[in-house]
Amino acid sequence: RKEVEQDPGPFNVPEGATVAFNCTYSNSASQSFFWYRQDCRKEPKLLMSVYSSGNEDGRFTAQLNRASQYISLLIRDSKLSDSATYLCVVTRGSGNTGKLIFGQGTTLQVKP
Amino acid sequence: DAEITQSPRHKITETGRQVTLACHQTWNHNNMFWYRQDLGHGLRLIHYSYGVQDTNKGEVSDGYSVSRSNTEDLPLTLESAASSQTSVYFCASSESPSSGRYEQFFGPGTRLTVL
Repeated sequence: RKEVEQDPGPFNVPEGATVAFNCTYSNSASQSFFWYRQDCRKEPKLLMSVYSSGNEDGRFTAQLNRASQYISLLIRDSKLSDSATYLCVVTRGSGNTGKLIFGQGTTLQVKP
Repeated sequence: DAEITQSPRHKITETGRQVTLACHQTWNHNNMFWYRQDLGHGLRLIHYSYGVQDTNKGEVSDGYSVSRSNTEDLPLTLESAASSQTSVYFCASSESPSSGRYEQFFGPGTRLTVL
């Protein structure tokens, strides 16, 4: 079983749609969680951290369910520029090693 | 602005040659990491360092080495390049875990082809 699992997609949605991505992680000791965005052939960039209470940044909302070891990312009012691969990322254990575990990513394609 | 740079951005080499990929960060981060990214595997950790003179093996370290002589640089060396090492290589850095900040910041990547 992979340590971080994501549905690879692709998710093809029209502009303005709401889309949700899910991610599960296997290590219950993981303490910090992130969503990264990666554009084709470019480096991953931090989109947002995920907090226990859930958090929102503009059109993006992240949720964490520790009991189910499940993380989600909701994108509202999708833009063409949201087309990218979204990586679910968790700390390896408590995070005191500084190491992160990356999911393989979910690809989003927003169509006009 | 602080940044992390990699060079070269593209490299073509032949099997058996030694290749060094450079990574330089101006974040003043203690932690630095090298990953490779291949289709079907996502990002895999090659080597990492917690500070000057410290280096550690990641999950796919065979055939690679690193050295850390200062805070800013962590060069990655392929001792004898193999076709299986054709990949995109990303360098990343982060603050010390004691800061409570775990997010990593990535360089633009080096696309390496071994013929």
